[in-house]
Amino acid sequence: EAGVAQSPRYKIIEKRQSVAFWCNPISGHATLYWYQQILGQGPKLLIQFQNNGVVDDSQLPKDRFSAERLKGVDSTLKIQPAKLEDSAVYLCASSLRNAQGYTDTQYFGPGTRLTVL
Amino acid sequence: AQSVTQLDSHVSVSEGTPVLLRCNYSSSYSPSLFWYVQHPNKGLQLLLKYTSAATLVKGINGFEAEFKKSETSFHLTKPSAHMSDAAEYFCVVSVLRTGGFKTIFGAGTRLFVKA
Repeated sequence: EAGVAQSPRYKIIEKRQSVAFWCNPISGHATLYWYQQILGQGPKLLIQFQNNGVVDDSQLPKDRFSAERLKGVDSTLKIQPAKLEDSAVYLCASSLRNAQGYTDTQYFGPGTRLTVL
Repeated sequence: AQSVTQLDSHVSVSEGTPVLLRCNYSSSYSPSLFWYVQHPNKGLQLLLKYTSAATLVKGINGFEAEFKKSETSFHLTKPSAHMSDAAEYFCVVSVLRTGGFKTIFGAGTRLFVKA
């Protein structure tokens, strides 16, 4: 079974530039998550999709971050404009389902390491 | 409010000795609890999970964890450390909210294994 795919693996940009990350979840997984992991910290959930609808985006800095999951499969996360403090690893994860009454295991991709200069 | 606290940022053990990584949680509801491991430059991998079944949970690579509701703890243990266990370990709590479950990660514990 193929895992969660992410690209690019590494990205270096200057502040105020834009950047986009792509995630392809495991086939059939309805729930998709984007996390931000700053060096030395645990991952922080940015946004959670159930199929193509947003379940939780309470910690997404909406003035500069956006995410979409068209057709309920692939997802993109965009930062525009980037700030120095956005330097982090951006992790994508997927799970089979996450409806009320059921918790499922999340499978993580390798992450995208973003450096903002 | 829900939260998870990993009591040690770093733990160092000798190869062949026991491992104990401590985790406490706070939750208004019955939580699901997980331990994930992250090796350098690799993705997060699930070690084990507790979802209100047996309180002693066995995971991969010889790890296990015990859910203690009275102590709100979910400590991770292994009888004998191996060099390959050196990694970052995350305790995770999953809580029910409107629309589904919310996942909260601890800050992580880095495990060092000495030869």
